[in-house]
Amino acid sequence: DAKTTQPTSMDCAEGRAANLPCNHSTISGNEYVYWYRQIHSQGPQYIIHGLKNNETNEMASLIITEDRKSSTLILPHATLRDTAVYYCIVRGGSQGNLIFGKGTKLSVKP
Amino acid sequence: DVKVTQSSRYLVKRTGEKVFLECVQDMDHENMFWYRQDPGLGLRLIYFSYDVKMKEKGDIPEGYSVSREKKERFSLILESASTNQTSMYLCASSFPGGRMDTQYFGPGTRLTVL
Repeated sequence: DAKTTQPTSMDCAEGRAANLPCNHSTISGNEYVYWYRQIHSQGPQYIIHGLKNNETNEMASLIITEDRKSSTLILPHATLRDTAVYYCIVRGGSQGNLIFGKGTKLSVKP
Repeated sequence: DVKVTQSSRYLVKRTGEKVFLECVQDMDHENMFWYRQDPGLGLRLIYFSYDVKMKEKGDIPEGYSVSREKKERFSLILESASTNQTSMYLCASSFPGGRMDTQYFGPGTRLTVL
C-alpha cells in the first residue's frame, strides 16, 4: 500500500514558487521523506530528503511538519524545465528499494 | 558527477528472443536496481543487488534474471522476450545505508517486443 498521498496534478506560473504537498500520516520514527522528479522520457532524478528538520539544497527546500505527518517540497522560482512528475517517498533506514507512487504532475506555464 | 549509463535508449526485439539490458555506474556503489515503468503503474522493482554476485528478487521478477559479475555492472536478462515485457526499463544505483541511500537513475531503455 502507498505510504504517501499527493495531488495528481498542479500548475505553477513561471518564476513563482511551486509548493508541492505530500501527506504521510503513517510515517514512523526512523523513516525519511525523499523527493524525486521525472522529466518526460528520462530517469527519475533525486531532489532532496529529510528526517525531521527542514532541508535546503541548490534545487529545492523541504519543509516537514512538526508531527512529521506531511511535508512540502518548494521550488523557489519555477522554470519551464521544472515541468515533471514529482514523487514523494517515505523510506526507512534499512536497505531496499524505493516505492514510487503516482506522484504529482507539475506543469509550469509561461 | 554521478553517472549511471544504460546500453541503449531504444530497443526493438521479437517475441522469443533473449534480451540483455546493461547498466554501468561509475560511483563505486554497492547497491544496484532494475525497475520497469509502465503508464498508470509507476515504477516497479524487478531485481536488486547489494554486492557482486548477489541478487534479490523485487516485486515482479517473473520472466527476468540478472547478473552482477563486477561491482560497476548490473545486467537484466529477458530469457524469452514476450510482448507484455514492452516497457521502459530503468537502472539505479546507491550506497548502502539509510541516510545516504539516495538512488541515482540511468536514462532508461525503452524496449519494444514485437
